Amino acid sequence: GNSVTQMEGPVTLSEEAFLTINCTYTATGYPSLFWYVQYPGEGLQLLLKATKADDKGSNKGFEATYRKETTSFHLEKGSVQVSDSAVYFCALSDHQAGTALIFGKGTTLSVSS
Amino acid sequence: GAGVSQTPSNKVTEKGKYVELRCDPISGHTALYWYRQSLGQGPEFLIYFQGTGAADDSGLPNDRFFAVRPEGSVSTLKIQRTERGDSAVYLCASSFGGGSEETQYFGPGTRLLVL
Repeated sequence: GNSVTQMEGPVTLSEEAFLTINCTYTATGYPSLFWYVQYPGEGLQLLLKATKADDKGSNKGFEATYRKETTSFHLEKGSVQVSDSAVYFCALSDHQAGTALIFGKGTTLSVSS
Repeated sequence: GAGVSQTPSNKVTEKGKYVELRCDPISGHTALYWYRQSLGQGPEFLIYFQGTGAADDSGLPNDRFFAVRPEGSVSTLKIQRTERGDSAVYLCASSFGGGSEETQYFGPGTRLLVL
């Protein structure tokens, strides 16, 4: 079945450091890929998405590229801020298996000044 | 504009009781999803509605769980004979048409605690 695996946290960084959160997936079809973020005390919100191979999603300085050959969708940011501290979830949706999102377990990011 | 809303925000109940959780999706969204999130885990799919009908209920854990969306808007998740293992945050999401490429917009969740 379809699944998402993301690196376990917590990830602790200093402000302005480079961030990578790894995400790989298994899917029977051609999924759309998402990164959702949950800030402290808030609900899940979409950070970025990519719907086909080689697409790059970007938002708020974060980027992720849909790599079909490595079945990956790693999240990157060149310079993190304290306000980026949150839990990040990688997810996929595969029309062939229904349109519900399948999530990874989440990665907690803590950025200190 | 208004996002997805869920009520109540918190619910404490006793083992064996019946609970109802409500979701009000974004106006005009035909697709509505319920997920359950346990501590330290990602959300897990429960059920998907397209309009008034349940298009996919494969995530419901057992027959104690049931959901309805009678008019294609508000949805209610119903849990009978609650168990301590049902304690979790129940999330509702909606999207415009239900396509796999579409963004799902999440509500704030209902935190259910079964004592």
